[in-house]
Amino acid sequence: DIQMTQSPSSLSASVGDRVTITCQASQDISNYLNWYQQKPGKAPKLLIYDASNLETGVPSRFSGSGSGTDFTFTISSLQPEDIATYYCQQYDNLYTFGQGTKLEIK
Amino acid sequence: QVQLVQSGAEVKKPGASVKVSCKASGYTFTSYGISWVRQAPGQGLEWMGWISAYNGNTNYAQKLQGRVTMTTDTSTSTAYMELRSLRSDDTAVYYCARVRGAGGGMDVWGQGTTVTVSS
Repeated sequence: DIQMTQSPSSLSASVGDRVTITCQASQDISNYLNWYQQKPGKAPKLLIYDASNLETGVPSRFSGSGSGTDFTFTISSLQPEDIATYYCQQYDNLYTFGQGTKLEIK
Repeated sequence: QVQLVQSGAEVKKPGASVKVSCKASGYTFTSYGISWVRQAPGQGLEWMGWISAYNGNTNYAQKLQGRVTMTTDTSTSTAYMELRSLRSDDTAVYYCARVRGAGGGMDVWGQGTTVTVSS
């Protein structure tokens, strides 16, 4: 099984800050990586697919990069509505989610 | 609009089975797969398995092999997930999600179904 290690597990930042979350795969997954946002009590929402492609309708302050085993998710300027938990997900071999990063406002 | 609508909350006793439905609308059902993902209280997302709505092929998470079965009914555009021999640690919100391509992003999600396993 492919393991996904996401860090940090929680993060506190101020409105307007640049926020970065990393995700490391236990083996090479090429660019088969997605990022999701989940707000409390809601279903997850796809933000980034294939490591770096912005899903339609998602604000451009969200971005993703990386390939192989190391990936990065960035919010260029944190907004209050971005408070949520973020998950990476590999789909090179079946699916695995990272453990999540809970983002809070400082 | 494209949506997935899941069946309602369930309360089951240990050892019982549960079958959750996921009705698709607004798109060609057989052109996408459906994945099932669960989330235990206060925990992260756990992928359970995937089914092709085109041909019924399935892949299941190893830890659930033998207890889970995923099916589809193309006549009603509905996917089903049955979990047997329920245990207390199966208590979770269960989501269905539409899968793009041959294992791509999950771009449309159901609203979730709470399954509580308690004696």
